[in-house]
Amino acid sequence: GQQVMQIPQYQHVQEGEDFTTYCNSSTTLSNIQWYKQRPGGHPVFLIQLVKSGEVKKQKRLTFQFGEAKKNSSLHITATQTTDVGTYFCAGPRWSTGFQKLVFGTGTRLLVSP
Amino acid sequence: NAGVTQTPKFRVLKTGQSMTLLCAQDMNHEYMYWYRQDPGMGLRLIHYSVGEGTTAKGEVPDGYNVSRLKKQNFLLGLESAAPSQTSVYFCASSYPPKGGVRQPQHFGDGTRLSIL
Repeated sequence: GQQVMQIPQYQHVQEGEDFTTYCNSSTTLSNIQWYKQRPGGHPVFLIQLVKSGEVKKQKRLTFQFGEAKKNSSLHITATQTTDVGTYFCAGPRWSTGFQKLVFGTGTRLLVSP
Repeated sequence: NAGVTQTPKFRVLKTGQSMTLLCAQDMNHEYMYWYRQDPGMGLRLIHYSVGEGTTAKGEVPDGYNVSRLKKQNFLLGLESAAPSQTSVYFCASSYPPKGGVRQPQHFGDGTRLSIL
């Protein structure tokens, strides 16, 4: 079945450094969503990408959807301690007439001051 | 605006015991979901519901049952708890897809469940 892989699994950066996480799917995705989960918290929706090659920005966060719609990335410029958490991508998968979300394994980001 | 509320927040069970996790949402969402989250495995869908009175199996449904008697509530039951069901359980809700595109899911704070 469809798998959504994320790399790296974990990254530790110094505050002010940049960070990138990559999401790769074994099949073409119609759209992709990104979520952030703070330690001890719950996933919170960040953004959705729909178009091939789409790039969206939210302040220091830049999200990109690949041209082939099989990969996506999240780049954080000049990380801050508030960026700490696990970032998940999620892609749709059709199963028995229902479009489910398949979550990646996540990238855990630790930011040291 | 409470969003998605899960109860209880923590629970310890003995093997073989049963329990029900409660989820309530006040956003009038048609779709509701139950996920479990285990270290290194992301979120896995247990069961879901596309409307009041309807439920369906997700990726890992064995050992769980669900009910959606009211639109705002989605209950997850463990029939006979096993240590393998130790996990963090998240409930989520969303609107139906719009134009074929999935809508964002809104998550509750989670229930941390330990089975001894």
